[in-house]
Amino acid sequence: NAGVTQTPKFQVLKTGQSMTLQCAQDMNHNSMYWYRQDPGMGLRLIYYSASEGTTDKGEVPNGYNVSRLNKREFSLRLESAAPSQTSVYFCASSEAPGPSYEQYFGPGTRLTVT
Amino acid sequence: RKEVEQDPGPFNVPEGATVAFNCTYSNSASQSFFWYRQDCRKEPKLLMSVYSSGNEDGRFTAQLNRASQYISLLIRDSKLSDSATYLCVVNPPYGGSQGNLIFGKGTKLSVKP
Repeated sequence: NAGVTQTPKFQVLKTGQSMTLQCAQDMNHNSMYWYRQDPGMGLRLIYYSASEGTTDKGEVPNGYNVSRLNKREFSLRLESAAPSQTSVYFCASSEAPGPSYEQYFGPGTRLTVT
Repeated sequence: RKEVEQDPGPFNVPEGATVAFNCTYSNSASQSFFWYRQDCRKEPKLLMSVYSSGNEDGRFTAQLNRASQYISLLIRDSKLSDSATYLCVVNPPYGGSQGNLIFGKGTKLSVKP
């Protein structure tokens, strides 16, 4: 039982390049989330998926797209990377939407855009 | 006023000390409150939920003061392994059923031998 896994762990992109961050969970959770964490800032929600087949914008969605591929997998795509997207990206999952359900985080992807 | 505010620290304390962290939140209609722990270069993990009546888990005690919009975390008998950043987390009313959480920037604790 690996919990929440993310790939890659590290990535360096040049401005304008695209990439997809992958996230998978093996806990049969319904809800999944993408956050970014920047120095001096709290984690901020980018997108979430309350259940398979649905996605919604969070606090900072601009420049990102997501796909809930199936119940296990939730990917985050940067179509044209910008230096402002340099950050640590965390994927999380919870049994169901709602604050009563603990969110479990993956180990993070450290992305640098030059 | 920022949605969730915490003293960033760092708090440098000796082993065995008692240390308290405070957090304030701006939206009086917020309903759910949590403390998460994040080790250096690791992912956040839930430490404990915070209930209106206050709650305790071993050496950790969390308190909520709705009137003052204030949350606290008390750690007694600090251990070296308690060294981490502690994140105050609030579920605002507009988060609704989606469980959207607002994270504070965190308070860094360093426990020294």
